[in-house]
Amino acid sequence: DVKVTQSSRYLVKRTGEKVFLECVQDMDHENMFWYRQDPGLGLRLIYFSYDVKMKEKGDIPEGYSVSREKKERFSLILESASTNQTSMYLCASSLSRAGGYNEQFFGPGTRLTVL
Amino acid sequence: GEDVEQSLFLSVREGDSSVINCTYTDSSSTYLYWYKQEPGAGLQLLTYIFSNMDMKQDQRLTVLLNKKDKHLSLRIADTQTGDSAIYFCAETSNSNSGYALNFGKGTSLLVTP
Repeated sequence: DVKVTQSSRYLVKRTGEKVFLECVQDMDHENMFWYRQDPGLGLRLIYFSYDVKMKEKGDIPEGYSVSREKKERFSLILESASTNQTSMYLCASSLSRAGGYNEQFFGPGTRLTVL
Repeated sequence: GEDVEQSLFLSVREGDSSVINCTYTDSSSTYLYWYKQEPGAGLQLLTYIFSNMDMKQDQRLTVLLNKKDKHLSLRIADTQTGDSAIYFCAETSNSNSGYALNFGKGTSLLVTP
C-alpha cells in the first residue's frame, strides 16, 4: 500500500519558534509537494521538489523554506513561526514528469497552531 | 495560480444523486481529477478523466467533461452518508512547470438521512 507519512498530526508552537514539518514517502516518487489548507481558501501550494536537492516556489512561499536531501523525505521549515501560519499542512508526492498523468498521493496532514 | 472554481457547499438527502460542478482554467490540461477529503484526513484520488473523453463512469461515479466550456462535473448516484466529505476538482498547473496540480477550493457535501 502506497504511503505518505507526516511526522505529526498536531503541533503547537510559539511565535518566533523555528518549526520543522517532515514528510516521508515510500513509493520512490520523484515529485513532492507542500500545501497549506485553510477554510474557504482550499489548497495552496507552498513549495515543491521534482528531484533530490531541487526545489521550486509555489504560489505562497513567503515565510517558508524546504529541504530535500533524500528522495523519500521532504521537509518544510518555518524559520520564525507567526500566528498567520496557523493552518493544516498537507504533504503529497507524485511519480510523473510534467504534463502526464500525475496523481498526487497525500499524507494525513499536520494541524499546526502558532500561539 | 489560476482559479479553478467550485461551489462551496452542497446538501442532499440520502439516496438522491449529487452533482458537484467545477470550471477550470487551462484548456490544454490533459488530465482532470476529483479528490475526496474525509474529516481529519488527507486527500484521496476519487477518479480522473483524460481530456479526450467527455464521460467516464465508475460504479456510482460519473464524470462529465465539456472542454468547450471548460466545465467538469462529478455525479454521485445513490448518495450515502459516508459520501459526506469535501470534494476537490484539480487540473494540471501550467504555472508550476506542469508538475503540480491546481486545486479548486473544494465543495463540502453534506448527506442527510
